Amino acid sequence: DGGITQSPKYLFRKEGQNVTLSCEQNLNHDAMYWYRQDPGQGLRLIYYSQIVNDFQKGDIAEGYSVSREKKESFPLTVTSAQKNPTAFYLCASTPLTGPRDYGYTFGSGTRLTVV
Amino acid sequence: AQSVAQPEDQVNVAEGNPLTVKCTYSVSGNPYLFWYVQYPNRGLQFLLKYITGDNLVKGSYGFEAEFNKSQTSFHLKKPSALVSDSALYFCAVRALNSGNTPLVFGKGTRLSVIA
Repeated sequence: DGGITQSPKYLFRKEGQNVTLSCEQNLNHDAMYWYRQDPGQGLRLIYYSQIVNDFQKGDIAEGYSVSREKKESFPLTVTSAQKNPTAFYLCASTPLTGPRDYGYTFGSGTRLTVV
Repeated sequence: AQSVAQPEDQVNVAEGNPLTVKCTYSVSGNPYLFWYVQYPNRGLQFLLKYITGDNLVKGSYGFEAEFNKSQTSFHLKKPSALVSDSALYFCAVRALNSGNTPLVFGKGTRLSVIA
């Protein structure tokens, strides 16, 4: 079945450590997105990419980095510069041509906790 | 700039009663509107969308939404609530002719259906 896979489901980060969240899709979608979800704040856009080897900052990009070396993959690195990284991270994708009936397809999320 | 407001953090309704979850939006031009639902520790699932056409849109699980251009609203409704409808609901918008700009999400409304 086609879909988006996020891993790991749970991740623990020590102070000063960089961690990378994985997002892989087999839907042949062009665009991929990373959102951060905090209680009461909804979804906030971190980064997005509409084509391989290109990406744009969202509303809260500071302390995060991404790469898009393959169409299927859009990993997110949470760097030590992100002072409050504890949150639920969601990856999404969508085609940019043809039917976009569902808007975005979402992964199941990664819950990151600082220990 | 695009924005979405979900004025209620929490909506409580008795099982069998009708439910409404409110959403208002702001875009330049015509909107492309979505409702998504999120269950605990999961990604968002598509419920329904509005692009053009009938103002009353029917979606998954018996939900529907009414587009009101004059009030810039897109409220989610269901005639008879089920306990299993308890979840977090998100409204999202982008301008229809904005190219491929990312969806903007509201902060979410937690629906609690009481047996």
